[in-house]
Amino acid sequence: AQSVSQHNHHVILSEAASLELGCNYSYGGTVNLFWYVQYPGQHLQLLLKYFSGDPLVKGIKGFEAEFIKSKFSFNLRKPSVQWSDTAEYFCAVNAPGFGNEKLTFGTGTRLTIIP
Amino acid sequence: DSGVTQTPKHLITATGQRVTLRCSPRSGDLSVYWYQQSLDQGLQFLIQYYNGEERAKGNILERFSAQQFPDLHSELNLSSLELGDSALYFCASSPQTGGSYEQYFGPGTRLTVT
Repeated sequence: AQSVSQHNHHVILSEAASLELGCNYSYGGTVNLFWYVQYPGQHLQLLLKYFSGDPLVKGIKGFEAEFIKSKFSFNLRKPSVQWSDTAEYFCAVNAPGFGNEKLTFGTGTRLTIIP
Repeated sequence: DSGVTQTPKHLITATGQRVTLRCSPRSGDLSVYWYQQSLDQGLQFLIQYYNGEERAKGNILERFSAQQFPDLHSELNLSSLELGDSALYFCASSPQTGGSYEQYFGPGTRLTVT
């Protein structure tokens, strides 16, 4: 079974600070990896995804993530955060193939940006 | 706007009652997923349908059931409701199954059981 760990439960940063949110997964086979963002009172929105190829993926709003297979990690980064990045961030994993598409989510990281 | 719609947005009901949540996937998407988001359990997969047939089941209680209709919309039925069923229920859709696809989430239905 797949599992996802997000060790940072709540991160508080000032505007313009750099961001890195950790995500580790557990799964023995090929995985797809995702970062979703949930702004207060809103639905989940896909920030970026990794299916295959270049392990450094770029997403929307200036976010990027790096897949390090040897470390089972898919950390999210942003060089300079803005107040509007205040939200909850979820790392998720699934596997390609029939019947494996259910997303397994981490517990989420609440990000608060101080103006 | 992801293109996935869910109704109603909010639902308040009493323990023991039954409710139906509705989801319309993005145009052309054949696969529908239901997830539950609660404070104590986080985001959990409930069930997946593909082109009208059940594809995968997660931590879905026996009191809960779902179906996908020929027009591809899906309904999640929750019965004998308990206080602990209060949560945000999300529906997501993807184009196909059996490969690597992203899932597009709807705005959710917030269920409050009193």
